[in-house]
Order: sequence, then C-alpha cells, then structure tokens
Amino acid sequence: KNQVEQSPQSLIILEGKNCTLQCNYTVSPFSNLRWYKQDTGRGPVSLTIMTFSENTKSNGRYTATLDADTKQSSLHITASQLSDSASYICVVQSGKGQNFVFGPGTRLSVLP
Amino acid sequence: GAGVSQTPSNKVTEKGKYVELRCDPISGHTALYWYRQSLGQGPEFLIYFQGTGAADDSGLPNDRFFAVRPEGSVSTLKIQRTERGDSAVYLCASSLMSSYNSPLHFGNGTRLTVT
Repeated sequence: KNQVEQSPQSLIILEGKNCTLQCNYTVSPFSNLRWYKQDTGRGPVSLTIMTFSENTKSNGRYTATLDADTKQSSLHITASQLSDSASYICVVQSGKGQNFVFGPGTRLSVLP
Repeated sequence: GAGVSQTPSNKVTEKGKYVELRCDPISGHTALYWYRQSLGQGPEFLIYFQGTGAADDSGLPNDRFFAVRPEGSVSTLKIQRTERGDSAVYLCASSLMSSYNSPLHFGNGTRLTVT
C-alpha cells in the first residue's frame, strides 16, 4: 500500500534555531517528492519538488534532501523565523495524473 | 486573481441539506483536484479533472458526492444529504498540466461544518 509517514508529529523550537523534519515513503512507482508548507487556515504552498535523480534542493532557508534508495526525505529549516510556524507536508507523486500520496504533516511551532 | 479561489470560505449547514462548494482555478490550468482535509491530517484525494472530464473520481466516498467542471475552468463540488462526518476543509488545487513536476497550487479551502 502506498504510504507516506512523517516525523516528528509536532516540534517546538526557538526562533533562530535550525530543525529537520523527516519523511519516509513506500510509494511505487515513484515520480517525485514534494514538500508543502501549510499555514493555519490556508492551503498548502509548494516549497520543493525533487525527482528521482535529485538528492538536494533548496528554496531560501529550506533545504530538502532525497535518498531514493532508502526512500527517505528530509526538510531542513535554517535560522527559523516565527513565520515558519506551520504544518509541513511531504507528498509523493506516483506515476502521472492525480496519484499524490500525502503524509499527515509535521506541525512546527517557532517560539520567540 | 493570481491564485486558486474557493468560495465560500466557511459553510455551516444542517444535517441532510445540500451544499455546493466552488473552485476557481488559476487561468490556463487544465488539471484540477479536490481534496478533503480533517484536522491534523494530510489532504485526502476526492476527484481529479483533466479539462472538462473527471479523469479519476475514485476518491469520492459515496454517491452523495459529485463534482463538475463543465467548461474546463470553474469546478463545483456538490454534496447531497450532508452528514456530520462530512465536516472537514475541502481543498481545491490546480496545475498547469497533469505531468509530473508541475506544482499543485492550492486554494485556502472551504471549511464545511454539518450540524
């Protein structure tokens, strides 16, 4: 069964600190892996998309990694800001079309 | 408008009533998706349109749910005889095409509450 798991479920850090969120997946066939940021009451916003051949992709202070052999991805946030408080959702697309498998998200809280 | 627009943003209805949720995708986006999201969960797939046709409706939970996209742009998700378990945020997303590497652009959702 295609599944995406994320850890931790929630995380609290202080402003300015770094953090890393994890994503493990069992999705086949694999097309790409995406990280989304979802603010409370808003729709998810795309951060990165990585294909099989990419193992690192950055978007500002966000850096995603992908290990297609172990089927793991991470999202590293550098020098966190209060505005980083949100849910971060890992999504794996299987084949083409609609087949996106969403993880449950990690809820990040950045405190001053 | 630059993004995906969903209306209404909030909808409260009584059990048994009929509701319609509207999605205006980004102009030119041929692929349109409906998802349902419960608190603390990731989005759950409902239906996917490519142009005017529903290319995959396997996520619709039962025949009370129906969606249309008659002109290939605006889509309406229709729920008949609403039940309390239908309460959730309904998200719409569009993308330029369904091929891989096209980012999904989400609206802010419609929060449906069935009392």
